[in-house]
Amino acid sequence: AQSVTQPDIHITVSEGASLELRCNYSYGATPYLFWYVQSPGQGLQLLLKYFSGDTLVQGIKGFEAEFKRSQSSFNLRKPSVHWSDAAEYFCAVGATNAGNMLTFGGGTRLMVKP
Amino acid sequence: DVKVTQSSRYLVKRTGEKVFLECVQDMDHENMFWYRQDPGLGLRLIYFSYDVKMKEKGDIPEGYSVSREKKERFSLILESASTNQTSMYLCASTGGWGDTQYFGPGTRLTVL
Repeated sequence: AQSVTQPDIHITVSEGASLELRCNYSYGATPYLFWYVQSPGQGLQLLLKYFSGDTLVQGIKGFEAEFKRSQSSFNLRKPSVHWSDAAEYFCAVGATNAGNMLTFGGGTRLMVKP
Repeated sequence: DVKVTQSSRYLVKRTGEKVFLECVQDMDHENMFWYRQDPGLGLRLIYFSYDVKMKEKGDIPEGYSVSREKKERFSLILESASTNQTSMYLCASTGGWGDTQYFGPGTRLTVL
């Protein structure tokens, strides 16, 4: 069975600083990977996804993520954080043999200091 | 745009009550999911359905059941609500394999 670990429960960065949120997955074959964001009181919105091909994936709101097979990681990055990026971020992995089911990490809550 | 709607944003129920959470999607998706979200645990899959009248257990189905009589609607049922079912419940839908899951806004359920 697949699993996802987001090692950082909370992260605080200053506005304008760069951001990296970590995600490690466990799955025997090539996974497909997602990052979702949840603003307070809202459902989850897809930021980006990786299925195959280029390992650097661009998403919405200026986010990108890089798939590193050797490290079983799919870290999310943003070069300059805005106050509106404060939210909870979830990494998820889908297995090619499990239909459309996703397994989610525990989430990372991002706070942005002015 | 895909739209997934949930019948209530906030719900307060008493222990032992039967609770229905409704989810409707408007994109003709085959697959629908119910998750619960708890702090530090992320989203955990309760049940999913890949077709009308079809259902599969997820990781934490105990205490829940589901119903899918129409393609667009997927209901989560708490037969006898308990305080440990106080949580945020999220519904999602998706089309074919590898497609994005689209989420509703969630229902925050409190069981007293």
